Amino acid sequence: GDSVTQMEGPVTLSEEAFLTINCTYTATGYPSLFWYVQYPGEGLQLLLKATKADDKGSNKGFEATYRKETTSFHLEKGSVQVSDSAVYFCALSDQLTGGGNKLTFGTGTQLKVEL
Amino acid sequence: GAVVSQHPSRVICKSGTSVKIECRSLDFQATTMFWYRQFPKQSLMLMATSNEGSKATYEQGVEKDKFLINHASLTLSTLTVTSAHPEDSSFYICSAIQGAVAYEQYFGPGTRLTVT
Repeated sequence: GDSVTQMEGPVTLSEEAFLTINCTYTATGYPSLFWYVQYPGEGLQLLLKATKADDKGSNKGFEATYRKETTSFHLEKGSVQVSDSAVYFCALSDQLTGGGNKLTFGTGTQLKVEL
Repeated sequence: GAVVSQHPSRVICKSGTSVKIECRSLDFQATTMFWYRQFPKQSLMLMATSNEGSKATYEQGVEKDKFLINHASLTLSTLTVTSAHPEDSSFYICSAIQGAVAYEQYFGPGTRLTVT
């Protein structure tokens, strides 16, 4: 079945540091890939997405590129801020197995950014 | 953006009792709502998908008689945990979509259930 694996946290960085959160996936069909963010006390929010190979999703300075050859969708940001502290979830939806409406999530990676 | 609320945010109940959790879409009509369960340091696991006016579709391994889902209107879905036991203690999250595209899910803030 479909699955998503992402690096365990917490990841602790200093402000303005470079961020990478690794995410790899397995899927039966041709998945769409997503990153969600959950700020403390709030629901998950879609951060960015990519629907086909080599697509790059970007939002709020975050980027992730859909790499089919390595089945990866790593999240990056060049300079993190304290306000980026949150839990980040990698996810996929697979049109073939889930009809496109079912999201499979990774375990989440907590990011802590310190001054 | 679209807002989904959940009530209550935290609930503690005694073993054997039933607990109802509400999920509301506040500023849009939700054709489909999803219920997830999240254990500490684990993924969100989809429990069921509910469409307004029809029976929920449960994922494999989820007891439909234990986790009753009602989606009576386009803005409200409820999850009732019947005869709760300590192993049902978890974080329950709902989400809702307007159209047919999965990534347009709008998530609620979650409900922490503790069964004593």
